[in-house]
Amino acid sequence: QSVLTQPPSVSGAPGQRVTISCTGSSSNIGPGYDVHWYQQLPGTAPKLLIYNNNIRPSGVPDRFSASKSGTSASLAITGLQAEDEADYYCQSFDGSLSSYVFGTGTKVTVL
Amino acid sequence: QITLKESGPTLVKPTQTLTLTCSFSGFSLSISGVGVGWFRQPPGKALEWLALFYWSDDQRYNPSLKSRVIITKDTSRNQVVLTMTNTDPGDTATYYCAHRLPGGWFDPWGQGSLVTVSS
Repeated sequence: QSVLTQPPSVSGAPGQRVTISCTGSSSNIGPGYDVHWYQQLPGTAPKLLIYNNNIRPSGVPDRFSASKSGTSASLAITGLQAEDEADYYCQSFDGSLSSYVFGTGTKVTVL
Repeated sequence: QITLKESGPTLVKPTQTLTLTCSFSGFSLSISGVGVGWFRQPPGKALEWLALFYWSDDQRYNPSLKSRVIITKDTSRNQVVLTMTNTDPGDTATYYCAHRLPGGWFDPWGQGSLVTVSS
């Protein structure tokens, strides 16, 4: 049902850089639409990680960064740490569906 | 500090109506651009938006569930209530409420409430 597509999983060793893609369409990640990212640690509620494509809320480490281009967005984690092991979701608003939409989710594993 | 907390039944029988309450504090639902949204997450699956109550008293719904879901507000109690009719086992999920900011993102979220639909 998710209209935003993410890879099911990505992994990396501590200290490495990993990226998560979020692919949509012109009605949700295209011009005029913003993408937001959430981190969901095991057994907990989602937590806002990035808003408006690339802005980190206060308290979010600067090893998390994000960008948007065309109808895709991406989240990067540099200097991967064990505590970053979680599920990550992108979110936007779909103008055609008149719905808030989420990505399929990506599980990040720290090797 | 903004906080939200979901409450409601943990077990519902198929075809019954599910009512969940989101009790919030630290913000006013009358501020322009603000809202309270309801979401759910079946075990091991992705997040899904269900409904949203806006500062303007406008209510919006996920089209796939619109006929079964109603969202209301109790201003005196700082609560937003989600009602879902004709439940089935596919509605088994953790249900979350969250504070919507004017830019369309959600922060913070409640802790979640696991609801099982089973006979």
